[in-house]
Amino acid sequence: DSGVTQTPKHLITATGQRVTLRCSPRSGDLSVYWYQQSLDQGLQFLIQYYNGEERAKGNILERFSAQQFPDLHSELNLSSLELGDSALYFCASSLGQGTYEQYFGPGTRLTVT
Amino acid sequence: DAKTTQPPSMDCAEGRAANLPCNHSTISGNEYVYWYRQIHSQGPQYIIHGLKNNETNEMASLIITEDRKSSTLILPHATLRDTAVYYCIVREYGNKLVFGAGTILRVKS
Repeated sequence: DSGVTQTPKHLITATGQRVTLRCSPRSGDLSVYWYQQSLDQGLQFLIQYYNGEERAKGNILERFSAQQFPDLHSELNLSSLELGDSALYFCASSLGQGTYEQYFGPGTRLTVT
Repeated sequence: DAKTTQPPSMDCAEGRAANLPCNHSTISGNEYVYWYRQIHSQGPQYIIHGLKNNETNEMASLIITEDRKSSTLILPHATLRDTAVYYCIVREYGNKLVFGAGTILRVKS
C-alpha cells in the first residue's frame, strides 16, 4: 500500500460525458502527478501540481483539466469523452519537486462506451 | 521520448538473482537513473534510484557503470511475486517520469 488513494476504482461512461477522478496523496506529500496508461500509448505523464500550483504539463488534452485543492487532494476532470480516452489513470505523489521518488496509487480504470 | 533501452523480456528461475540491464548512453550529468516496476495493472512501484554510485536497499541493488551509460538492476533472490514489468527511467531534477516499454520479467518455479 503506497498511501496514495484514488477513487473511483472503476468508471464506465458514455462518449460525450464528463467525469472526475479523485486522488489523495500520501500524508505530507505536496506534489501530485497524473499519468494515463493505455494499451497503445503506455504510461504517459499528464500534469503535475505542487502545493496547489500547476508545475508541469505533459501530453494532456485540452478536454482534460486538473486542480489541487488546499487540503492537497487533486482532481482530474475529463470532458467530452471519446472511446480513445479509455485507460488506466494513475495518480502519484511525492514529498517535493526534486528527485524524490513518486508513489503511485492503485489507479482508476475508465471505460468509455 | 524515453531515453533508455531495455530488453523486451527476460526469464529468471525462482530463488536466483535477476539481473535487468538498461542502456542510457545519452544520460546527462544531472540525470538520475530510476527503476520502477508494475505488477499486472497495479500502480507502478518505486524500487531504487541512483546518480553515480551503486545503491542498495531492501528490494534491490543498482549498479551504474563508471561512464554512467548503462546500469543493472539486481533482485538478489527473485520470487514469483517479482514477476512484473520493470521500467528504467532517466530523470532530471524536474519530476516528470518518462516511461518506456520496460522489461517483462517472468520468474519461473
